[in-house]
Amino acid sequence: AQKVTQAQTEISVVEKEDVTLDCVYETRDTTYYLFWYKQPPSGELVFLIRRNSFDEQNEISGRYSWNFQKSTSSFNFTITASQVVDSAVYFCALSESYGQNFVFGPGTRLSVLP
Amino acid sequence: KAGVTQTPRYLIKTRGQQVTLSCSPISGHRSVSWYQQTPGQGLQFLFEYFSETQRNKGNFPGRFSGRQFSNSRSEMNVSTLELGDSALYLCASSSLGASGLGDTQYFGPGTRLTVL
Repeated sequence: AQKVTQAQTEISVVEKEDVTLDCVYETRDTTYYLFWYKQPPSGELVFLIRRNSFDEQNEISGRYSWNFQKSTSSFNFTITASQVVDSAVYFCALSESYGQNFVFGPGTRLSVLP
Repeated sequence: KAGVTQTPRYLIKTRGQQVTLSCSPISGHRSVSWYQQTPGQGLQFLFEYFSETQRNKGNFPGRFSGRQFSNSRSEMNVSTLELGDSALYLCASSSLGASGLGDTQYFGPGTRLTVL
C-alpha cells in the first residue's frame, strides 16, 4: 500500500525566512516516483518537481530545493528567503511505476506574512 | 501549448441529480486522470483513462463513472448526487506512454461542484 505523510498541517513564516516542508512516504516498490505540487488559492495544482527512486541527488531550482533520502523515506522541500507569493498549499505525491494513480499527502498550508 | 482545461468551472446541483464534467488534456497527452478534493478527505484518485480505456480506478462507488474519447478529451459523470459529492474535481493529463512508467501529471483548474 502507498502512503504519504505530511506532518505539518499549517506553517506560518515571515517573509525572507527559510522554511522546510516535510514529506515521508511508504511503498514496497523499488521503482517509484515522488512529486511536489503547489496549490495557490485559485485551486489549480502546479507541478514543481518529479524525482524517481533511483535518483537521490538533491536538486535546487532558484529559491527551491529538495532533499531526497531513501534511507528515511523522506522527500523534503525547502523554500529559501520565502516570499508572500509562496503562500499556498503544498502537496507531496507518490506514484508507483505502473500506475497513474498518484497518492497525495494531506498537504501543508504555508502562509508567508509580509 | 494550452494547459488542461475543465468545464464548467462551477456547478450547483441538488441531491439526486446527475452531473457531467468535461476535461480537455494538453495537446498530445493521452492519459487523463480524475481526482476529487475535499477538506476532509484531501485529494483522492477517481480513475485514469488511456487510449479510451479505463486503466486504473480508485475506491469510489459506481455512481462515479467516466469515459475518454478518441481525441483524448474526457468526461466524468456522477449520478444520484449526494451532499458529500460536493468537492473540487480536478483533471490531470500526462504524456504517459503505453509502458505505464510514471510521468508528470499536469492539472487543470478544476470544477467546483456544490450539491444542495
